[in-house]
Amino acid sequence: GDSVTQMEGPVTLSEEAFLTINCTYTATGYPSLFWYVQYPGEGLQLLLKATKADDKGSNKGFEATYRKETTSFHLEKGSVQVSDSAVYFCALSAPGGNKLTFGGGTRVLVKP
Amino acid sequence: EAQVTQNPRYLITVTGKKLTVTCSQNMNHEYMSWYRQDPGLGLRQIYYSMNVEVTDKGDVPEGYKVSRKEKRNFPLILESPSPNQTSLYFCASSSRQGRAYEQYFGPGTRLTVT
Repeated sequence: GDSVTQMEGPVTLSEEAFLTINCTYTATGYPSLFWYVQYPGEGLQLLLKATKADDKGSNKGFEATYRKETTSFHLEKGSVQVSDSAVYFCALSAPGGNKLTFGGGTRVLVKP
Repeated sequence: EAQVTQNPRYLITVTGKKLTVTCSQNMNHEYMSWYRQDPGLGLRQIYYSMNVEVTDKGDVPEGYKVSRKEKRNFPLILESPSPNQTSLYFCASSSRQGRAYEQYFGPGTRLTVT
């Protein structure tokens, strides 16, 4: 079945550092790929998405590119802020499907 | 404001005492689902519903029931809760945006079963 693997955290960074969170997936066909963010005490919010190979999703300074050849969707941000401290989830859905398959989540802590 | 609401937000109960967690959305979405979140496991789908009176099992349905009598509501029922159901629960609803279904999540319900 479908699966998503992402790097374990926690990831601790200083403000203005570069952030990368690796995400790889296993799925048949061409799934849609997502990054969700969960701030402390809140539900999940969609951060960005990509629906086909070579698509780049971007939002709030975060970017991720759908790489079919490496089955990856790594999340990057060039200069993190304290407010980016959260848990980040990589997820996929099958073509035309509703169900999300999630990775285990990566906690990111940004220190001033 | 478009939103998914869940109640209660926090619940502590004892083994075997039936409980219901409510979920409601105001976006007229057809699709709704329940997930549980456990450390290191991410979120796993419990049940989902494609529309009124249409429900189906997700990946971890054991010990749970759902119903979908109205489009906006999708309650999660634990008939006889057990300690291994202690978890953080999220309800979600979705609409199709292009090729992907964009899901909106509720704030979560933290359940402790003693």
